[in-house]
Amino acid sequence: GAGVSQSPSNKVTEKGKDVELRCDPISGHTALYWYRQRLGQGLEFLIYFQGNSAPDKSGLPSDRFSAERTGESVSTLTIQRTQQEDSAVYLCASSLSGTQYFGPGTRLLVL
Amino acid sequence: GQNIDQPTEMTATEGAIVQINCTYQTSGFNGLFWYQQHAGEAPTFLSYNVLDGLEEKGRFSSFLSRSKGYSYLLLKELQMKDSASYLCAVPSPPGNTGKLIFGQGTTLQVKP
Repeated sequence: GAGVSQSPSNKVTEKGKDVELRCDPISGHTALYWYRQRLGQGLEFLIYFQGNSAPDKSGLPSDRFSAERTGESVSTLTIQRTQQEDSAVYLCASSLSGTQYFGPGTRLLVL
Repeated sequence: GQNIDQPTEMTATEGAIVQINCTYQTSGFNGLFWYQQHAGEAPTFLSYNVLDGLEEKGRFSSFLSRSKGYSYLLLKELQMKDSASYLCAVPSPPGNTGKLIFGQGTTLQVKP
């Protein structure tokens, strides 16, 4: 079946602009996660959605970052007033019973 | 909180065996994951250990010792395509549906 998909695959933006990153989880997966991976680094947790529960936003680095999820489907991660330090790969993952399956990521470059 | 340590880089020869270690400190524990990540690609699931001991899956095996806070990934009969980063991760808070806390990853280079 189809895996996790993300769009766009690459995004170049100017400092100060807003960006929206999209994630389509595996159908039926109730949990959805966003992570950030800077070059040569491990994955850094950002936010977690589980069903209709309030999301765990404890990993969002600043109030410029926000995310939404529609039911148990698509999620959007928004970064407002982007900064150069936001340059990274943003990875989305979904799960049904524990194991997280990752999408290919969006490579964001802020100039 | 959680703290996870892995070696940054390792090099091994094609056909050999390599062991990638991971140590963790957690306030509770409910399993440990290993993922493989090729350069420029998404992490892919390799294994999940929740009980002590060795679990074998083809050329890859994963070991866990909960009392020592220690795990390793064993790769046998190394192939060039095994060159990748190997990520160790634990759920936080303990439970198998929460966020994962990742180590920095071990970059393995397999040489001919």
